[in-house]
Amino acid sequence: GENVEQHPSTLSVQEGDSAVIKCTYSDSASNYFPWYKQELGKGPQLIIDIRSNVGEKKDQRIAVTLNKTAKHFSLHITETQPEDSAVYFCAASKSSSASKIIFGSGTRLSIRP
Amino acid sequence: EADIYQTPRYLVIGTGKKITLECSQTMGHDKMYWYQQDPGMELHLIHYSYGVNSTEKGDLSSESTVSRIRTEHFPLTLESARPSHTSQYLCASSDSGRETQYFGPGTRLLVL
Repeated sequence: GENVEQHPSTLSVQEGDSAVIKCTYSDSASNYFPWYKQELGKGPQLIIDIRSNVGEKKDQRIAVTLNKTAKHFSLHITETQPEDSAVYFCAASKSSSASKIIFGSGTRLSIRP
Repeated sequence: EADIYQTPRYLVIGTGKKITLECSQTMGHDKMYWYQQDPGMELHLIHYSYGVNSTEKGDLSSESTVSRIRTEHFPLTLESARPSHTSQYLCASSDSGRETQYFGPGTRLLVL
């Protein structure tokens, strides 16, 4: 079945530096790739997503890139701030009424002051 | 901001008790999901539903059961709680025409 691998599991960066989280997926039919941010004591919240017909998408300090050939996608956070500290999950799914989202195992991002 | 609610937010209960975790959404979404998650760790799908009277078991075996009698409600029941059920339970929903899942705030369960 579909598998999503996420690296690293933990990441610590200096405030103001950039953070990159990488994911690979196994099902070449996957065409939707969301990223979720989970803050302490809360449910995951969608922060950005990308579809397979696009190679890159940006929203202020957050960007996601997709390489369909290599079957991997990445989250880039620039100019990191303390409020970026959270657990981030990547995910992949297919456009089908019966498809489920497959989540990565999560990355705990810590921003050092 | 997604309109999906979970109650209770926190629950401490003794072994052997029956509990029901409530989840409701006001977005008219057809699909609803339950995930089990140790804090900050991987999300494990335990149940899902594609519509009223439709329920399926997820990827992680669970002793819980679910029902979907109304579109907006997707309660999860544990007939006899055990310490191994201690975890966070997250409910989510999505529109059948879109893949994005919206999560509730979660219920943190502690079974003594």
